[in-house]
Amino acid sequence: AQSVTQLDSQVPVFEEAPVELRCNYSSSVSVYLFWYVQYPNQGLQLLLKYLSGSTLVKGINGFEAEFNKSQTSFHLRKPSVHISDTAEYFCAVSDRGSARQLTFGSGTQLTVLP
Amino acid sequence: DVKVTQSSRYLVKRTGEKVFLECVQDMDHENMFWYRQDPGLGLRLIYFSYDVKMKEKGDIPEGYSVSREKKERFSLILESASTNQTSMYLCATMLGGGGVTEAFFGQGTRLTVV
Repeated sequence: AQSVTQLDSQVPVFEEAPVELRCNYSSSVSVYLFWYVQYPNQGLQLLLKYLSGSTLVKGINGFEAEFNKSQTSFHLRKPSVHISDTAEYFCAVSDRGSARQLTFGSGTQLTVLP
Repeated sequence: DVKVTQSSRYLVKRTGEKVFLECVQDMDHENMFWYRQDPGLGLRLIYFSYDVKMKEKGDIPEGYSVSREKKERFSLILESASTNQTSMYLCATMLGGGGVTEAFFGQGTRLTVV
């Protein structure tokens, strides 16, 4: 079984500032890692995913994440945020044996202030 | 584009009522999922199905059942609704096969049980 910890429940940041949303996971097997975003009153959509290969993964809307196996982390970053990035962000993990089942973190609410 | 449609955006039901939440997808995906989303808890898997008439329990199946009579439709049933089932319910689909693909989510149904 795996688990996901998102270390910050709320992250306020000013527009055009950089942001990092932190995610740590635990698993006894190799995993796939995902970040999803949920805009207000909408379902979730995929931002980016790590399956294998390069540990730096680029996603949509200028976001990127780095897989760090030794620290079991998958932090999400953006160098300059916009008001439109205000949303809830979820980190998720699935193990390579049962790729259909996603385990989600508790979410981080990113609020971008003018 | 994958479309995952949940029959209601908002639903109010009385304690003890039988409640049906419907989810329909148009992309011929084998896997379908029901999650509930609560503040501070992220998404938790209730049930999933990897084929017609097949179902498996997720992490929190108590008080719920599901039905998948056709590939495109996956229903979540609350046999006797209770106030602690007030939540946001999200349906998701995923392509089958051995590879890893992303999950596609519906808009969600916000259920209030009074």
